[in-house]
Formats: sequence, structure tokens, C-alpha cells
Amino acid sequence: DQQVKQNSPSLSVQEGRISILNCDYTNSMFDYFLWYKKYPAEGPTFLISISSIKDKNEDGRFTVFLNKSAKHLSLHIVPSQPGDSAVYFCAARGYSGGSNYKLTFGKGTLLTVNP
Amino acid sequence: NAGVMQNPRHLVRRRGQEARLRCSPMKGHSHVYWYRQLPEEGLKFMVYLQKENIIDESGMPKERFSAEFPKEGPSILRIQQVVRGDSAAYFCASSLSTGNTEAFFGQGTRLTVV
Repeated sequence: DQQVKQNSPSLSVQEGRISILNCDYTNSMFDYFLWYKKYPAEGPTFLISISSIKDKNEDGRFTVFLNKSAKHLSLHIVPSQPGDSAVYFCAARGYSGGSNYKLTFGKGTLLTVNP
Repeated sequence: NAGVMQNPRHLVRRRGQEARLRCSPMKGHSHVYWYRQLPEEGLKFMVYLQKENIIDESGMPKERFSAEFPKEGPSILRIQQVVRGDSAAYFCASSLSTGNTEAFFGQGTRLTVV
């Protein structure tokens, strides 16, 4: 049972355009969401997060939007740069079962930014 | 300030051997988490440890797998009698505390069972 879903395995965009990565979740106990970026042969690197009490969080070129009613979040990167090419993982954390530390990850989306 | 250090980066074991994966958390971090990533999958939680204590091992297979985080030294994930299905990337993460605190990941150990 996949509680965090990233339905697009890959996404290709042109440099300078906007990249939009999507994530859906099913567990209503999740209350904190994170995006990680991962290059090949490296560990995931934290990018940006959002608490469920907010609907938007912005950090430079990266903005995360949360739609609680739809159980959907998205990561916007604008403008996209070739160095942004990586796998992006959506992750969620909540108080399900009393644990607020366990991250549940999606399968990831491979973003390719073409020069 | 060094990040989360994992070693070895790559580990090859024959079926039936033991694999020991090490993780040194970031300086000052006393919370360690192990995750496993199978091919084409996302990371899956295995175990959460604090110094000398296993807090949650609900994601760890009941047999052959064990983890520890001693008072001194790195955290160890131990897999006994490895099988081909154990081949995966194993990531360790550490955090300053739990709750809304980002966990920082190491570079991972890629285990290959031949």
C-alpha cells in the first residue's frame, strides 16, 4: 500500500522554464512534507519542506504548494537549470501510530533539464 | 562539520555471508535512522535508534537483520546470511531531534549479493 505516490517517473523541461513535480498522499495523519533531491550514487539532500498548517513555502527558486483537501503537493522550480537534473523524492511524516520521525517516501521523479 | 558518514560505499558479499554497514551521524546528532532503497523504489524506513536504544524497528525484517548504536562509535546495521534479495542501497540519516527536524542523509552503502 503506497501512501506517497509520485505518478510521473520522469519529467523533461527546457532550461529557464518551470519544472512542476507532483506528489499525492493517502494518509490523512501526515502533517509534514519534504522534498529531497538525489544525484546518482549520492544520498538524498533535503531541499524544502512544508507543514500542513501552511499551503505554500518558498525558498529561492523552489516553491512547494500543499492542497490538503486534495492530499496533493507540488514542487515548482523556476527557472529550471541543468544542475537541477536529479531524482526528486517527495516524503511525508506524521503522527500515525505515535511516530513523528518516520519518513514515507514516494518512488521519485527523474527531472532532466535540457540546456 | 562533516556530514553523515557511511562506510563502506560499496560492499559485495556472497550468499550466506554477513554484511556490516556503518554509519557515523553528524556531530551533535544522537538520532539515527536506517532506510533501504530497492531498485526502482523509494526509500523505505527500517529502524530508528538513539544512543544505546532501539526506538522503532518496525521496518526491519524480523530475521537476519539487526541494528545497534552504541554509546561510543558508529551505528551498525548487520545482515546475517545475506540473500540476493538483500541487494539494495542502504542509507543512514541523522537528526538533532525528532519532530519537525530535517534528517540529513549519508551517501549510502550499495550492497550487492552474488
